[in-house]
This record gives sequence, C-alpha cells and structure tokens, in this order.
Amino acid sequence: GAGVSQSPSNKVTEKGKDVELRCDPISGHTALYWYRQSLGQGLEFLIYFQGNSAPDKSGLPSDRFSAERTGGSVSTLTIQRTQQEDSAVYLCASSQGGQGNEKLFFGSGTQLSVL
Amino acid sequence: AQSVAQPEDQVNVAEGNPLTVKCTYSVSGNPYLFWYVQYPNRGLQFLLKYITGDNLVKGSYGFEAEFNKSQTSFHLKKPSALVSDSALYFCAVRFTGGFKTIFGAGTRLFVKA
Repeated sequence: GAGVSQSPSNKVTEKGKDVELRCDPISGHTALYWYRQSLGQGLEFLIYFQGNSAPDKSGLPSDRFSAERTGGSVSTLTIQRTQQEDSAVYLCASSQGGQGNEKLFFGSGTQLSVL
Repeated sequence: AQSVAQPEDQVNVAEGNPLTVKCTYSVSGNPYLFWYVQYPNRGLQFLLKYITGDNLVKGSYGFEAEFNKSQTSFHLKKPSALVSDSALYFCAVRFTGGFKTIFGAGTRLFVKA
C-alpha cells in the first residue's frame, strides 16, 4: 500500500481482556514506531524498531505492553489484561531510517476503548 | 533528561495575522527537530524539519520555523494565518545517534475569520 496501515481502526474490549493492534508500515521503511495519544494529550512514545537492532522499549508503560516486528515489516502491539486507562488512540509510524533525520509517516491509528 | 515542551495549549489568531507556535527542547547533544500537524479527522502530517545549516527552515503550506540553539527553541511561524490552518500542531525531537523521537504535548491553533 501507499501508506502506513493500521488495523483495526476501532477496538472495544472489556477490562481484563488482551488486545492486539496491527501495523503495516510503508514498504522499505526500516524504522517503525508506536505512540499513544490519549484524549487531550500529546503523543506518548511507546517503542521503536530500527532494522535488526534491538528495539527501544523505554516508553512502554508497564509489562502488560509488548510489541513485535516480524520479518522487518509488520508489527503487532499487544496489551494484556487491559485497563480503562489504556483507552487511547494507538498510532503507528514508519520512516526510511537511514540517517535518523527522516520524517515519520503516520497511520490513521487504532481507537481502543476499554469498558 | 531529553524532553520537548510546547508551553501553550492553545493559540488564537485572526486570519491574515502572523502566527507563532512555540517549542523548546532539552538535550545533551544536537537534535533533529520536526513539526507535524494533525487536522480534524485526519492523520498526523509532516510539516518541516531542521537538520543542520540555515536556522530558518521552510515547509509545507507556507509554514517556517527558526532554530535557536542558544535558547534551545524551534518556534513554528507563518506570516499570514488562514482559517484552514486551524489544527493541532506537534513539535518533535530526535537526538542524533538514535531514532527515538519524542513529541510535545501539542498546541491547538484556532484561526478566526
């Protein structure tokens, strides 16, 4: 596809359930990022992947959050035992990842609602 | 600690007037600096970036930003605001030697006709 694709666009779940959010970056982009945008808040960095390097997980808020990137392409963000405070828009972005100064291309996000 | 601050939650400007959206950062090295915009019901879009060189950079939709190393600032500017510029603006910083990019809290710009 031409852009970053995220699925589902909306996810409603019950407290305590696990959820998986998917991101399909732009083909050829080596860097992939996950952010969280809560209502009225800025973008909170969660994690990034760059090529075959170990991911930077410094932004993950708790051990309930994890992410994988398989084959250097598609990424899945998993939230275990969801809590109401996890409700937010989860944004994925990718970049060419060459020099580190490339712009990010964002997906449309997944709106997660935990009831 | 690395951080980026947007001190204004909201900026109100009359159409045709100049606008400024402020951004400051805290860093131990040399940063790459970015501005992104989020229009209602649309995804985040890149506006402009500073890497090195000329302190004044120009970007999309007539926006520009000035890098000031001594003040560690990267304010977004436009000489004449349009109603269509009303959106949420984010400043972002990436520190050289890595790929981690952190964003400010965002500034909502309202341009009145």
